[in-house]
Amino acid sequence: GEDVEQSLFLSVREGDSSVINCTYTDSSSTYLYWYKQEPGAGLQLLTYIFSNMDMKQDQRLTVLLNKKDKHLSLRIADTQTGDSAIYFCAESIEGSSNTGKLIFGQGTTLQVKP
Amino acid sequence: DAGVIQSPRHEVTEMGQEVTLRCKPISGHDYLFWYRQTMMRGLELLIYFNNNVPIDDSGMPEDRFSAKMPNASFSTLKIQPSEPRDSAVYFCASRQAGGYNEQFFGPGTRLTVL
Repeated sequence: GEDVEQSLFLSVREGDSSVINCTYTDSSSTYLYWYKQEPGAGLQLLTYIFSNMDMKQDQRLTVLLNKKDKHLSLRIADTQTGDSAIYFCAESIEGSSNTGKLIFGQGTTLQVKP
Repeated sequence: DAGVIQSPRHEVTEMGQEVTLRCKPISGHDYLFWYRQTMMRGLELLIYFNNNVPIDDSGMPEDRFSAKMPNASFSTLKIQPSEPRDSAVYFCASRQAGGYNEQFFGPGTRLTVL
């Protein structure tokens, strides 16, 4: 079945780059996503990538997609303390009804030390 | 738009009591999702609706859980009777059909069953 795997924890120093990795199983996913969850809040879409792209850059965020290995990564440049949160990787499950049902990973807790 | 609205934000109840969680999706959104988040199991999809019709309830844990969507602007998730293992944060999310399938999450309801 569908599955999304992430490492659970990452700790970096302020100003360093953070790289959060994810593997997924459904090769038919049209979109892959990174969501961010701050303490006490719901998930918020951070960025997404279309499956026919290899890379997407958005300010400090870079998403890399390796379809052959089913590997997705999120790089945050110049990581700030405000980036401390849980980051979820998700893939869309496309069926005949195109429901856009998402399968989420377990979430990676990013800790940014001053 | 106010975003997805959930109530209550916190609920503490005793085992055996009925619990009703409420959600108001973003106006114009066609899909509504109910998720449960726990430390042990991460983020689980319980059920989702399309145009007020339940499409997939395979994630509902057992018959004690039920969900309804009587109209496009309101949904409930009911647990009867509640058990301590139901303690979790319950999220509602909604999205429009088409596009890149972004789901918008509510702030969640933190349920504690004593």
